[in-house]
Amino acid sequence: NAGVTQTPKFQVLKTGQSMTLQCAQDMNHEYMSWYRQDPGMGLRLIHYSVGAGITDQGEVPNGYNVSRSTTEDFPLRLLSAAPSQTSVYFCASSLRTGAANYGYTFGSGTRLTVV
Amino acid sequence: AQSVTQPDIHITVSEGASLELRCNYSYGATPYLFWYVQSPGQGLQLLLKYFSGDTLVQGIKGFEAEFKRSQSSFNLRKPSVHWSDAAEYFCAVGALLAGGGNKLTFGTGTQLKVEL
Repeated sequence: NAGVTQTPKFQVLKTGQSMTLQCAQDMNHEYMSWYRQDPGMGLRLIHYSVGAGITDQGEVPNGYNVSRSTTEDFPLRLLSAAPSQTSVYFCASSLRTGAANYGYTFGSGTRLTVV
Repeated sequence: AQSVTQPDIHITVSEGASLELRCNYSYGATPYLFWYVQSPGQGLQLLLKYFSGDTLVQGIKGFEAEFKRSQSSFNLRKPSVHWSDAAEYFCAVGALLAGGGNKLTFGTGTQLKVEL
């Protein structure tokens, strides 16, 4: 029972490089989302998806792209990394959309450093 | 827009002592409220959640929280803290999004240290 799996756990990028953070869940959850966690700021929503083929922006989407071709996977792409994107990234999923009362399952995070 | 305030950045308690972590929220409708715990290097684990009904909710690991609408608060409590409770605790409010999704707005967290 893997839950939400994120890879890699750690990554160092140079400014301007691109990369994809992977997120997969095996719980048949409709809803998936990406958050970033920065010291003193809690977690902020980057992008989310309410189902395969449907994505939308959260509160801090600039510099990130997402796609949702399958129910299971929700990768986050950094097109041209910047030092301001140094953060810990969490993927989260939940069973249903349209209702804010379902608890999320979080992955263990990807710690990204951009130098 | 919704917001969550956790006024205590750090709290230190002795093992066996009681604990209360404060959370105040701002939301225009009936709030969906959550407490999560994060151990170092780990993701967030759901402790408990409030949707409606009984304002005192029980969670895992012996935690409970009380929803007080008049005070816009959702404080987390535990009668007797264990050393393993040392972690960071996040309060969050859930809201629906126009696109059919939902969003959790998190507080900035409270770091709990437990002294033996």
